[in-house]
Amino acid sequence: DTEVTQTPKHLVMGMTNKKSLKCEQHMGHRAMYWYKQKAKKPPELMFVYSYEKLSINESVPSRFSPECPNSSLLNLHLHALQPEDSALYLCASKQSLGEINNEQFFGPGTRLTVL
Amino acid sequence: GESVGLHLPTLSVQEGDNSIINCAYSNSASDYFIWYKQESGKGPQFIIDIRSNMDKRQGQRVTVLLNKTVKHLSLQIAATQPGDSAVYFCAENGQAGGYNKLIFGAGTRLAVHP
Repeated sequence: DTEVTQTPKHLVMGMTNKKSLKCEQHMGHRAMYWYKQKAKKPPELMFVYSYEKLSINESVPSRFSPECPNSSLLNLHLHALQPEDSALYLCASKQSLGEINNEQFFGPGTRLTVL
Repeated sequence: GESVGLHLPTLSVQEGDNSIINCAYSNSASDYFIWYKQESGKGPQFIIDIRSNMDKRQGQRVTVLLNKTVKHLSLQIAATQPGDSAVYFCAENGQAGGYNKLIFGAGTRLAVHP
């Protein structure tokens, strides 16, 4: 199994809603990532987990709350989002954070629309 | 600061032609580079990588060239096919808080015409 899965594929939410994005991988990777990607732009790093501990938070607003319940799962909890938060949210995983010479595997993303 | 950029935002080619997508990077200490392909509505897909101790690496129909002297990276696609139409991102390993992270270039859209 060499894939990263994400659910849901599409999500529409209001600014007062609470929702969660889910990511799963069964490659035994110990580093997991959340990225945000706006249209026609490259992915922007949001959070990195290494061995289920938050290692990097790229100054992301607190309305985004990541969680890593175990080594295979990564969640992104959303609350009180703004319309400008509408984007494609990508999850990725990698063997380990410290390994330089191996690639990140990306999931298909969740297309989020905030009304 | 660190940056990875692309010379051409859009590249149009005829089916069967070879394509060359270019990327410039600014951090001379970068030692690992990746090319990703992203089709519409999908996540980035790994194509090929190269370490800084190499100047060329070949895959199936793709070749990556690394010129460390001028800090330039290129992706060559041979016999381009309609299925190659996508946005291509180069990325380099950078540092954030003592950890490695990918720094992506702006992306090049490749449009393949029959």
